[in-house]
This record gives sequence, structure tokens and C-alpha cells, in this order.
Amino acid sequence: KAGVTQTPRYLIKTRGQQVTLSCSPISGHRSVSWYQQTPGQGLQFLFEYFSETQRNKGNFPGRFSGRQFSNSRSEMNVSTLELGDSALYLCASSLGPGGYEQYFGPGTRLTVT
Amino acid sequence: AQRVTQPEKLLSVFKGAPVELKCNYSYSGSPELFWYVQYSRQRLQLLLRHISRESIKGFTADLNKGETSFHLKKPFAQEEDSAMYYCATLNTGFQKLVFGTGTRLLVSP
Repeated sequence: KAGVTQTPRYLIKTRGQQVTLSCSPISGHRSVSWYQQTPGQGLQFLFEYFSETQRNKGNFPGRFSGRQFSNSRSEMNVSTLELGDSALYLCASSLGPGGYEQYFGPGTRLTVT
Repeated sequence: AQRVTQPEKLLSVFKGAPVELKCNYSYSGSPELFWYVQYSRQRLQLLLRHISRESIKGFTADLNKGETSFHLKKPFAQEEDSAMYYCATLNTGFQKLVFGTGTRLLVSP
């Protein structure tokens, strides 16, 4: 089976812009979770989507949003980018909801200048 | 809220030495605990989970409820074990993974 894929792999944006990241889960997986990874804060949960519904959300401002399509692919959007949003954004998929046995993608490295 | 603590940011050992990566959790019930590993330039991947009680790549981890610990151990470290290791737990309701801050293991020849 092909693994979780994320596009783009690298992105450079300026403050105030918005960005959309994409995640394609493993075939058959219906849950997609997003995490932000930074040297200072480590891995932090952003949100989870299952069957096109946001099931859970972490402690991030409303500038961070996401959605899931009927084919389970997911996108996350960050509006009004800030320097502190620079991070590696990881997507993980699993068969069912919740965090059990997640498979991670390679991540999208976002740099905000 | 559930939390996992990894007290060491860096653990440096020589090849062939025993390794113990520490993880303590805060949860009063029966936790679901995992170890994830991230090798250089590779994606984060599940190493093992406590419920399966398996040994992967020579690593084992035992849940100690009395000490609320889930330390990762390997009797003889190899250079290819050098990586970032994260302990994680599922929060109440099994809704999301909560990660520790990670420990970088460096195995020198």
C-alpha cells in the first residue's frame, strides 16, 4: 500500500498570507489527523477528521482550519500567517477515529518570512 | 489532561551499551501508550505499543503502573538506532495522541 502523502513538501510564505496543505491518507483509511511539529513545542495536535467531519480540535487559534473530502483526502488552511507558524506540519491517517495506530506522512515544511 | 514526560532531551551511548529511554505518564486509568521513532530524513513511525507487548528491532517497553512509567529499553544499542524517540498516549476517550517532547538517541561507534 502506498503511504500517506503530503503536498507540497516545502513552502515559503510571507506574513499575512494564507496557505493550504494537502494530505492523502493510506487507501482505506478514513481518519486524518494533523499535527504541528516545532523544536520548541514538539508535536502538537491540530485536529482530526473522520468521515468528512471534524472530530476533535487542539488548542490552536481559528486561523487554523481544515476539511476532509469524500475520498478521505484532507486539507488544512492557515490564514493570516505569522512567523510563529513556521513548522513542520504532519498528517497521519488511521482506519478508524481516534489516535490509535496512526501512520504519518513525511510532512510539509512551512517557512514564514 | 493526559500528559507524557520524557525527561531527557539527549541520550548518548556507545554501540553495544544498554539503552533506556524514559517516559512517565499522568493518567489514573488504564493508559494506551506508544513509542514512535523518527530516523533522520524519515517519517515518524510507530515503534511499539504497550498493548501488543511485542519487541521491535530489539526494543521493549513495559508498562509500570506503580511508577506510571513506560520506559523503552534495548540491551545492546546499534548505530542505526540513532533517532528521535517519542513517547505518546491516547487521551481520554481515545480522541487524539498526546506526545512527549522526545529524546534524541545518539549511538556512537
